[in-house]
Amino acid sequence: EAGVTQFPSHSVIEKGQTVTLRCDPISGHDNLYWYRRVMGKEIKFLLHFVKESKQDESGMPNNRFLAERTGGTYSTLKVQPAELEDSGVYFCASSQGVRVDPLGEQFFGPGTRLTVL
Amino acid sequence: QQQVKQSPQSLIVQKGGISIINCAYENTAFDYFPWYQQFPGKGPALLIAIRPDVSEKKEGRFTISFNKSAKQFSLHIMDSQPGDSATYFCAAMVYNTDKLIFGTGTRLQVFP
Repeated sequence: EAGVTQFPSHSVIEKGQTVTLRCDPISGHDNLYWYRRVMGKEIKFLLHFVKESKQDESGMPNNRFLAERTGGTYSTLKVQPAELEDSGVYFCASSQGVRVDPLGEQFFGPGTRLTVL
Repeated sequence: QQQVKQSPQSLIVQKGGISIINCAYENTAFDYFPWYQQFPGKGPALLIAIRPDVSEKKEGRFTISFNKSAKQFSLHIMDSQPGDSATYFCAAMVYNTDKLIFGTGTRLQVFP
């Protein structure tokens, strides 16, 4: 069974440009999460989709970030315009159920490393 | 501010030794405490987890010790192996949410 996949694996852009990150969850997983790790710091929650609806977007830093999940399958996270502080590794995770046990374990993708110059 | 504080930042252990990573929290609404293991180029993967109604959970060489009154929990890796070399993250989840709150990570290196 394929795991969570993310594209691209790396992205280097200049300040002010736009970048779109993509996440394909495990097939059948209704729950999709975005997290971000700024270098050396903790992995921080950004938002949670249940199917195509935003369940919790309390971690989104500001309105330069736009997440979508049309059709309840893959998700995109757009940063526009990118700033230097947006650099970091963006992780996507998916889960079949919620509240962890027994079907709510979150499976993480390998991440997209974003560098804003 | 950081809700889950993790230490040490890095750890070097000899093969066969015990690796210990500690985490502390303040929010008493946390009711689920997982540990994640991340290898280079991969995403974090769930290693072991505990709920606050037990003080210890063991799975193979990995043990979580949980101290509810002190609001601390730790990961012990017995008989550490070079293959255990990875970054370890503790995390917590608030009751009735699905948002994981992570620590800053510990880079473990196990030398033969």
